[in-house]
Amino acid sequence: SQQGEEDPQALSIQEGENATMNCSYKTSINNLQWYRQNSGRGLVHLILIRSNEREKHSGRLRVTLDTSKKSSSLLITASRAADTASYFCVYGGSNYKLTFGKGTLLTVNP
Amino acid sequence: SQTIHQWPATLVQPVGSPLSLECTVEGTSNPNLYWYRQAAGRGLQLLFYSVGIGQISSEVPQNLSASRPQDRQFILSSKKLLLSDSGFYLCAWSGLAGDPGTQYFGPGTRLTVL
Repeated sequence: SQQGEEDPQALSIQEGENATMNCSYKTSINNLQWYRQNSGRGLVHLILIRSNEREKHSGRLRVTLDTSKKSSSLLITASRAADTASYFCVYGGSNYKLTFGKGTLLTVNP
Repeated sequence: SQTIHQWPATLVQPVGSPLSLECTVEGTSNPNLYWYRQAAGRGLQLLFYSVGIGQISSEVPQNLSASRPQDRQFILSSKKLLLSDSGFYLCAWSGLAGDPGTQYFGPGTRLTVL
């Protein structure tokens, strides 16, 4: 299977703490994206990092990409209860198709 | 701005009944369109994608089919539902840029087959 893997599968933290989620993938990529899914809802795009980038920031989000290790991490700083959701690492090669990991379920306790 | 609609939001169907889920996109032309299924607690499985009217690529052989009768309309169908067809069905669209580009998801349809 070419499916990526997020680590950990579940993460529970207190409000205000930082949350780090990792992703490993198996194929060469042109870019890697992170999406968020609130329970029972559609996915929302968070951030895209290109294969020639190593780090990218967007608000409280920081994404890193290490193509030599085929891995990426998503850091959410100063977490809030509203950040509670599943987070998916998503990537693709040279076509239109994306491969989704199984996701990390993040719970931020108030 | 672009919006994507899916209906119905929830559906309960008996085994062996037919299925038709509809997805429409507004505010963009010639989008790539996708159907995904998400089983409980799992990631997304790509079922079909389409790069143009009448052009459908199937990723997983099964009793489902897809059609694209209009540029911004994507329909997921089945003639006879199985219990294993239960899940959360998501439609998405993307533009031509990005290789691969960002996909924008609809709100999903929760299908329960009894």
